[in-house]
Amino acid sequence: GAGVSQTPSNKVTEKGKYVELRCDPISGHTALYWYRQSLGQGPEFLIYFQGTGAADDSGLPNDRFFAVRPEGSVSTLKIQRTERGDSAVYLCASSRAGTGRTDTQYFGPGTRLTVL
Amino acid sequence: GNSVTQMEGPVTLSEEAFLTINCTYTATGYPSLFWYVQYPGEGLQLLLKATKADDKGSNKGFEATYRKETTSFHLEKGSVQVSDSAVYFCALSNQGGKLIFGQGTELSVKP
Repeated sequence: GAGVSQTPSNKVTEKGKYVELRCDPISGHTALYWYRQSLGQGPEFLIYFQGTGAADDSGLPNDRFFAVRPEGSVSTLKIQRTERGDSAVYLCASSRAGTGRTDTQYFGPGTRLTVL
Repeated sequence: GNSVTQMEGPVTLSEEAFLTINCTYTATGYPSLFWYVQYPGEGLQLLLKATKADDKGSNKGFEATYRKETTSFHLEKGSVQVSDSAVYFCALSNQGGKLIFGQGTELSVKP
């Protein structure tokens, strides 16, 4: 079946602009995660949705970052007033239940964001 | 807090050599442990996992054993191939399912 998809694959924007990154999880997966991966580093957790609600947003770096999942499927990560330090690959993952520590997360290919 | 430390790369081996990539963790409670792999130009994919102490995860000839006494989850393979060249990430999941990753270890296998 189809895996996790993310659009766009690449996004170049100017400092101060607003961007939206989209994630389509695997059909039927109730849990959805966003991570950020800087060059040469492992992914860092941003936010986790269980259904439509954000169950844990402790990884969002500041209030410029916001994410939604209004119908419990597609999610959008929104970044306001982008800064050069926001440049990274943004990864989305989904899992079947997301209720525990044993679930396998399936990752999308990522969106590479470059802020000039 | 929870954290993962893995050996720095890059690791360069000849084909058919033995591979070990060290991973240690700090966590409260009883986390699950994972190895993810990122092949060139591809997304992260699960390689193997172990959900409790003394469990051994295995896949594609790779193995890792969950050692609670040494808080380790070292990745091993007896005979690497050129196609194993990739970046390997050790990770843990404790509460709520979010993954905490190590910094990654790049493996390069030469023919």
